[in-house]
Amino acid sequence: GAVVSQHPSRVICKSGTSVKIECRSLDFQATTMFWYRQFPKQSLMLMATSNEGSKATYEQGVEKDKFLINHASLTLSTLTVTSAHPEDSSFYICSASRRGATTNEKLFFGSGTQLSVL
Amino acid sequence: KNEVEQSPQNLTAQEGEFITINCSYSVGISALHWLQQHPGGGIVSLFMLSSGKKKHGRLIATINIQEKHSSLHITASHPRDSAVYICAVDRGSTLGRLYFGRGTQLTVWP
Repeated sequence: GAVVSQHPSRVICKSGTSVKIECRSLDFQATTMFWYRQFPKQSLMLMATSNEGSKATYEQGVEKDKFLINHASLTLSTLTVTSAHPEDSSFYICSASRRGATTNEKLFFGSGTQLSVL
Repeated sequence: KNEVEQSPQNLTAQEGEFITINCSYSVGISALHWLQQHPGGGIVSLFMLSSGKKKHGRLIATINIQEKHSSLHITASHPRDSAVYICAVDRGSTLGRLYFGRGTQLTVWP
C-alpha cells in the first residue's frame, strides 16, 4: 500500500536553531500534503496545506514566517521550524492524499516527528 | 467549543467486549474520518465516510449526516486494539483539511 515517510522521528534542539522535517510520499505523487501538530493531551490541529509548486496555505494563527513549508516536488514537502523556542515543542505529523485507479481518494499519514526545544 | 466532539475520552474494556466510540460534529463536512493513533504517534486511516456504513474486519463505522453523528464499533475487542481513536472531519473539498476530535484512549485488557 501507499506509504508516507516522515523524518526525523525525534529531534532535540537548542532554542534559536532551525529544524527541518521531511515528508515523502514513497510510491505515489502527492500534489497536496498537509502538516498538523499535536500538543500533549490535545487534539491534532491542521497547520497548513502544502501545494506542489506554489505557496503553502496556512491556517489562522499559524505564523508562515516561523513555519516555512516547501513543496518542491510531487513527492516531498518540508516543514522548517525557524528560530525554534520551547513553546514550539510538539508532535508534528504530515499527510498526503492519493487517488487510486479504482478507489476513492485516501489519506495517508507520516509517522510523526516529536520536536523538543531546550 | 470544538467543532468535533468525541466520547468517551477514555474507555477500558475486557477482551471480547463490543466497543462503541461516538463522534458529533457541528460544521458542514464533505467526509468524516476515523483514525487510529498508536503510542509512538503514528496514525492510520481506518475509514472515510460520507454516508451510511462501512465495515472492515471487526471494525464498523456509521454516519448519520442529518444528525451530524458518527460511531465507530469494534466487535470482539482484542488487546491489540488498544490505541487512541480519533474522529476527524474534512472541512471542504480538499481531502486532508481536517478538524480533529480529542480522541478516545481505548485500553483492552486480556
